[in-house]
Order: sequence, then structure tokens, then C-alpha cells
Amino acid sequence: NAGVTQTPKFRILKIGQSMTLQCTQDMNHNYMYWYRQDPGMGLKLIYYSVGAGITDKGEVPNGYNVSRSTTEDFPLRLELAAPSQTSVYFCASSYSGGGPEAFFGQGTRLTVV
Amino acid sequence: AQSVTQPDIHITVSEGASLELRCNYSYGATPYLFWYVQSPGQGLQLLLKYFSGDTLVQGIKGFEAEFKRSQSSFNLRKPSVHWSDAAEYFCAVGPPGDYKLSFGAGTTVTVRA
Repeated sequence: NAGVTQTPKFRILKIGQSMTLQCTQDMNHNYMYWYRQDPGMGLKLIYYSVGAGITDKGEVPNGYNVSRSTTEDFPLRLELAAPSQTSVYFCASSYSGGGPEAFFGQGTRLTVV
Repeated sequence: AQSVTQPDIHITVSEGASLELRCNYSYGATPYLFWYVQSPGQGLQLLLKYFSGDTLVQGIKGFEAEFKRSQSSFNLRKPSVHWSDAAEYFCAVGPPGDYKLSFGAGTTVTVRA
């Protein structure tokens, strides 16, 4: 019963590098989300998806891209890493029949130096 | 736009004492309401939720929350805290029909022996 799985758990990037944060869920949820968490700021929504092939911007999408080719996977892409993207990233999912109750992954701690 | 306010950034409580965490929201209609807990280095775990009905809701780990429409509040309580309750707590709201959550900034709870 894996739930939402994120990889990697930790990563250090140099400025200008790119990377993909992986997220997969095995609950057959149609909704998926990416949040970033910064100290004292709570969680901010980066992107979300309501189903395969459909994505949309959240509050803080600049510098990120997403895709949703399958129900299970929702990778987050950072193209040109900047120090402002140092954060903890959480992937989450929910199903349309249960309201917006979100199930979260364990997070990815990213540091950009 | 909806907003969520957690007025207390940090609360220290003695083990065995009661705990109350405050949450206020700003939204035109009654949204879905949630409390999540985050232990150090972990993802977010759902403590409880309110969609409709009885305004006092019970959650896991002995927590409860009360929805007060007149005060736009959804405060979390626990009668007797345990050292394992030391964590960060987030209040979240989601408007009906919208599957995106907005989070408060969080309240860090420290439990002293």
C-alpha cells in the first residue's frame, strides 16, 4: 500500500541545472498536485492536474513545468534551477468522489547552490 | 480569494496539558476544512476533515475540531497532549467544487516534559 511516492528524497543542484522530481500514486486518483513548502509560508500550489493529459497552473508556477501522461505519474520539471527554488516539494493526490482531501508523499528536499 | 490564517506560529505545551490550535478562514461559502500534521522530515498526514453536518469532528490520535460558522473558524483541540504530538500543524480549506487546497502558514507545537 504505497500511496504517493516521491523520488528523490534529497537533491542538491547547481544554479542553471535542470532536474525532474518524480511522483507516482497507486490509488487511481484522478487529481494530482505539486506544492512547495517554505518556512513560515505553509504550502503553495505550483501545478495541478485533474486527469491524464490535463494540467494547470497554481499560485507559483514560474520556473516549473509538469506533464501528466498517465493517471499514476505526475513529474515536476525544473529547467534552470535558481536559489529561489530551494524548498521542500510535496506531491499529493485526491479523488473526485472524496472532496479535496489530499494524500501526500514524503517530500523532496531540494537545495540549489 | 480564499485565505487561511493560523494566528499562532509556535505553541509550547506541557505533556498532559490541553492544546488548542486556531484556524480562521476567509471565504464566501463554507468550504471543506482540514487539519494536517507534519512530523519532522515527513509528509503531511490528515488528522480530520469537515465537509458538512455535525460541527464537532473527531480525528485520529485523539484530536477533535469544531467548526464555527459565525466565527469562520475551525479550531483543533486535544485534551491531553503526548510528547509524540510535537509537530507542525496545518489548517487547509478547499471550496466546494474546487479540488485545490489553500494552506495556512502552520503552527509548530513543542511539548515539554
